Amino acid sequence: AQTVTQSQPEMSVQEAETVTLSCTYDTSESDYYLFWYKQPPSRQMILVIRQEAYKQQNATENRFSVNFQKAAKSFSLKISDSQLGDAAMYFCAYRSFRYQLTFGKGTKLSVIP
Amino acid sequence: DAGVTQSPTHLIKTRGQHVTLRCSPISGHKSVSWYQQVLGQGPQFIFQYYEKEERGRGNFPDRFSARQFPNYSSELNVNALLLGDSALYLCASSLGLAGGNEQFFGPGTRLTVL
Repeated sequence: AQTVTQSQPEMSVQEAETVTLSCTYDTSESDYYLFWYKQPPSRQMILVIRQEAYKQQNATENRFSVNFQKAAKSFSLKISDSQLGDAAMYFCAYRSFRYQLTFGKGTKLSVIP
Repeated sequence: DAGVTQSPTHLIKTRGQHVTLRCSPISGHKSVSWYQQVLGQGPQFIFQYYEKEERGRGNFPDRFSARQFPNYSSELNVNALLLGDSALYLCASSLGLAGGNEQFFGPGTRLTVL
């Protein structure tokens, strides 16, 4: 069974600084997708960024980028120029042909003004 | 366009009771998935439906059941509620089953079992 591990329960970052959230996963499959989701205090989960495992190039979405290391099964999220609105729970998730998402336990990110 | 909607927002039940949670997907989305999120944890997969057929089931007891209607809305039913069923129940919709399809989440239903 696939597992997703987020080893940082809580992180904090100064406004305008950069922070990296860690994620590792375990799978025997070769084709899959990795996601970072953000869940603000209002609860609605939104997709931050997505990475296809067959793509070597790391995904980037504005201030958000990933460092995908397939051999190491590592998928970290970098947030640049952190803003107050980035404060939320961040979940790393894995999805293969079985369709369902497998989530990590999450990292609570605080942004300090 | 309206996003994924769920009802009710909050629900309080007592042990042994039955509960029905409802989800309306984004227009045009044919797949609906249900997740349970216990406080302080990541969501756990319960069910996925596509074109009214169950396409996936997580590791949950038979007390949990679901169905999808012709208009692609969905219901999650939980029988014989236990205290441990207290959680945020999330519904997510997507266009189809392909792994790369983005799942759009609703705001969730907060279930409290007393």
